Amino acid sequence: KNQVEQSPQSLIILEGKNCTLQCNYTVSPFSNLRWYKQDTGRGPVSLTIMTFSENTKSNGRYTATLDADTKQSSLHITASQLSDSASYICVVTRSNDYKLSFGAGTTVTVRA
Amino acid sequence: SAVISQKPSRDICQRGTSLTIQCQVDSQVTMMFWYRQQPGQSLTLIATANQGSEATYESGFVIDKFPISRPNLTFSTLTVSNMSPEDSSIYLCSVAPRLAGVEEQFFGPGTRLTVL
Repeated sequence: KNQVEQSPQSLIILEGKNCTLQCNYTVSPFSNLRWYKQDTGRGPVSLTIMTFSENTKSNGRYTATLDADTKQSSLHITASQLSDSASYICVVTRSNDYKLSFGAGTTVTVRA
Repeated sequence: SAVISQKPSRDICQRGTSLTIQCQVDSQVTMMFWYRQQPGQSLTLIATANQGSEATYESGFVIDKFPISRPNLTFSTLTVSNMSPEDSSIYLCSVAPRLAGVEEQFFGPGTRLTVL
C-alpha cells in the first residue's frame, strides 16, 4: 500500500476558480512534506516544503497546509490560471533515512 | 537552487538495444538520484549515485539492467540495457543539496523513453 495517498485523482476547474487537493500519509518517522508541480513532459518543480512545526506555507497563489497529528496535507490553488494545468505531487520524507515517498499525483485541468 | 539538464529529452528505441541518459548539474552535489515514472504512476527511485563509489540500487532494480556512472560531482549517466516495451517510461535525474538547513530536492526535465 502506498504510504502517500492523494485525492482526487484528477479534477477539472474553470479559470479563476479555486480548488483544494488532499494528501494523506502514513510515512514515519516524518521529516518534511513537499508539494511539487509537474507540467506534462517536464520534471517536478517544488512549490512548498513544510517541516513538522509548520502548519501553512504559501507560494504565490499556492497555499499548503499540514496537520502532522492527523498526517494530512492540502494544497489550495487560488484564482486558477490555465498555466496551473499540471500534475501536483505530494512527497513525504522520512527522517531516519531521508527516503522519499511519492503520491500518485492529482491531475488538474483548468479550462477557460 | 540547482539547474539540471538531461540528454536526450526523448528517444524511441528498438527492443533489445540500450540507451544511455546523461544528467548534468550546474553545481557540485554529493548525491544524485535516478527515478523512473511510468505512465500515470508516481516516481520510483531506481538508485542513488555517489561519486567515487558504486551506485546503491533499490529493490527491484539491478546493476546489469540499469548501470550507472558517476565520474564527478556534476555528472551522471544511467543506461537502460536490453530494453523491452516495459521499460517505456520517463527517467528523471535528481539532486538533493542542503540549502539553508533543509535538504531540497531538484529534478531534471526527464527523458521520455519509448521502446518498440
